[in-house]
Amino acid sequence: EAGVAQSPRYKIIEKRQSVAFWCNPISGHATLYWYQQILGQGPKLLIQFQNNGVVDDSQLPKDRFSAERLKGVDSTLKIQPAKLEDSAVYLCASSLDPGGPDTGELFFGEGSRLTVL
Amino acid sequence: GNSVTQMEGPVTLSEEAFLTINCTYTATGYPSLFWYVQYPGEGLQLLLKATKADDKGSNKGFEATYRKETTSFHLEKGSVQVSDSAVYFCALMGSNSGYALNFGKGTSLLVTP
Repeated sequence: EAGVAQSPRYKIIEKRQSVAFWCNPISGHATLYWYQQILGQGPKLLIQFQNNGVVDDSQLPKDRFSAERLKGVDSTLKIQPAKLEDSAVYLCASSLDPGGPDTGELFFGEGSRLTVL
Repeated sequence: GNSVTQMEGPVTLSEEAFLTINCTYTATGYPSLFWYVQYPGEGLQLLLKATKADDKGSNKGFEATYRKETTSFHLEKGSVQVSDSAVYFCALMGSNSGYALNFGKGTSLLVTP
């Protein structure tokens, strides 16, 4: 079974530039998450989708971050304009059946590492 | 709000030593608790979980017991191996969180031969 795919793996940009990250979840997984992991910290949820609807985006800095999940499959996360403090690894995860027996089992991609100079 | 606190790392142990990584939580209601592991160069993956008080999660020789009275979910392994070297994250899913996870800061473990 293919895992969660993310691209690009690494990105270096200057502040005020824009960047986009792509995620393709495991086939059949209805729920998709974007997490931000700053060096030395645990992952922090940015946004959660159920199919193509947003479940939780309370911690997404909406003045600069946006995310979409068209057709309920793959997703993009965009940052525009980037700030120095956005330097982090952006993790995408998916899960099969929220509320079912595997609740809480998220499958993570390897992440996209962003450096803002 | 919901939060998880885990012990600072890095933790360095010799092979076959006993491992404990402490994790305590703050939550309203009845959360589910998890340990995730990140091996070098790989994505986070679920190690074990417990969904109610007094449950014990176990996998690959690791165990953790959900202690409601002490709001803890400490990770233990009786005899660590070099291959256990990784970063371990304690996580919580609140009963009203929409099934998203709150993670601790992670504890890096290095096991030496």
